[in-house]
Amino acid sequence: SQQGEEDPQALSIQEGENATMNCSYKTSINNLQWYRQNSGRGLVHLILIRSNEREKHSGRLRVTLDTSKKSSSLLITASRAADTASYFCATALKNAGNMLTFGGGTRLMVKP
Amino acid sequence: GAGVSQSPSNKVTEKGKDVELRCDPISGHTALYWYRQSLGQGLEFLIYFQGNSAPDKSGLPSDRFSAERTGGSVSTLTIQRTQQEDSAVYLCASSLAWDRANTEAFFGQGTRLTVV
Repeated sequence: SQQGEEDPQALSIQEGENATMNCSYKTSINNLQWYRQNSGRGLVHLILIRSNEREKHSGRLRVTLDTSKKSSSLLITASRAADTASYFCATALKNAGNMLTFGGGTRLMVKP
Repeated sequence: GAGVSQSPSNKVTEKGKDVELRCDPISGHTALYWYRQSLGQGLEFLIYFQGNSAPDKSGLPSDRFSAERTGGSVSTLTIQRTQQEDSAVYLCASSLAWDRANTEAFFGQGTRLTVV
């Protein structure tokens, strides 16, 4: 079974609005990462948050991590049509040599 | 190399034939992953190579699937007696030493396998 589960599975917003995606996981992690995928091919790394961090920013991206709830959120502010993609969270498992496991993803559509 | 390279980018094969998919990781990356992604779905973990340790094969869906990593670099994923349900995009990723706790994975563009 997958370690991470994202919600919502799909999200449709207007350009300029904020998009929030959530991820929950089950076991102890060293870090949690968010990836973006266009057109069903290779994934691109967006941001990594370590298990001892609570919030991290990168440009229009803000990631939070709550290890007590085993959950994370990705916020994209002031969304653009070019942000349309699938977004995946991945957890580096502490007791499995930092193996990365992925959730099912959130398909984001930003309408111009 | 500049990035993770996978070949072929597309493969159409007849049901029952064997296929080999290749992944060239980034030089110096000792961790290598194979994932499978069906249309519109998430990434299904297949196998994880971590340095000189025994690979984690727990995600391989059947004994028709196998993978090797030669010399700690290039990896091949072999699917024997392909079935239609094997049709998917097969993604490879690599990252720096597995025992470094905070490293990102770099993905190839994937191989789209179609079994007809």
